Amino acid sequence: DIVMTQSPDSLAVSLGERATINCKSSQSVLYSSNNKNFLAWYQQKPGQSPKLLIYWASTRESGVPDRFSGSGSGTDFTLTISSLQAEDVAVYYCLQYYATPWTFGQGTKVDIK
Amino acid sequence: EVQLVESGGGLVQPGGSLRLSCSGSGFTFSNYAMHWVRQAPGKGLEYISAISTNSYSTYYADSVKGRFTISRDDSKNTLYLQMSSLRAEDTAMYYCVKDKDFPDCWGQGTLVIVSS
Repeated sequence: DIVMTQSPDSLAVSLGERATINCKSSQSVLYSSNNKNFLAWYQQKPGQSPKLLIYWASTRESGVPDRFSGSGSGTDFTLTISSLQAEDVAVYYCLQYYATPWTFGQGTKVDIK
Repeated sequence: EVQLVESGGGLVQPGGSLRLSCSGSGFTFSNYAMHWVRQAPGKGLEYISAISTNSYSTYYADSVKGRFTISRDDSKNTLYLQMSSLRAEDTAMYYCVKDKDFPDCWGQGTLVIVSS
């Protein structure tokens, strides 16, 4: 199975400041035939199901604010919140869907400093 | 609007059985592979099962293999997870997930509690 490792486990950022979450996969999730990275990012708020933010590593889901962006390729990926808002307090997960079983990072809790 | 609604969760004794359902709407259900993911209280996300279109292939995580069965009824736009020989460690919120080449839509979840 592909192991997904997020860092850090938690972070506290001041309102309006940048938050950066990293995700590393144990093997590449880049599919060479279409040059797509099979990597998604989700936001989960307490009592809610995960919400898709980013897919194909860098494509923002419709309706997701543009302060959220994804980058990276191969085995190293980053989710950036450019200007943290109060409503962004949540746990964030990366997910690889390159291979079955899908595997998730352990989650990163984002709070306000 | 694409929507997934899970049901069937509840309190069950160890060794018992339960069948979860996931009803899909707002999309052509038969065209999509479907998946189950669970989340134990206060824990991360665990991928447990999947079924392809036409039920051609299925997948089970080792943690549920031999105890859980995934199925679908495309005429009813419904995904199922038959769970048997339930254990305390199966206590979790169970989510169904639609696979649009990437996992794009999750249901709200149904809670399963295995306890005597």
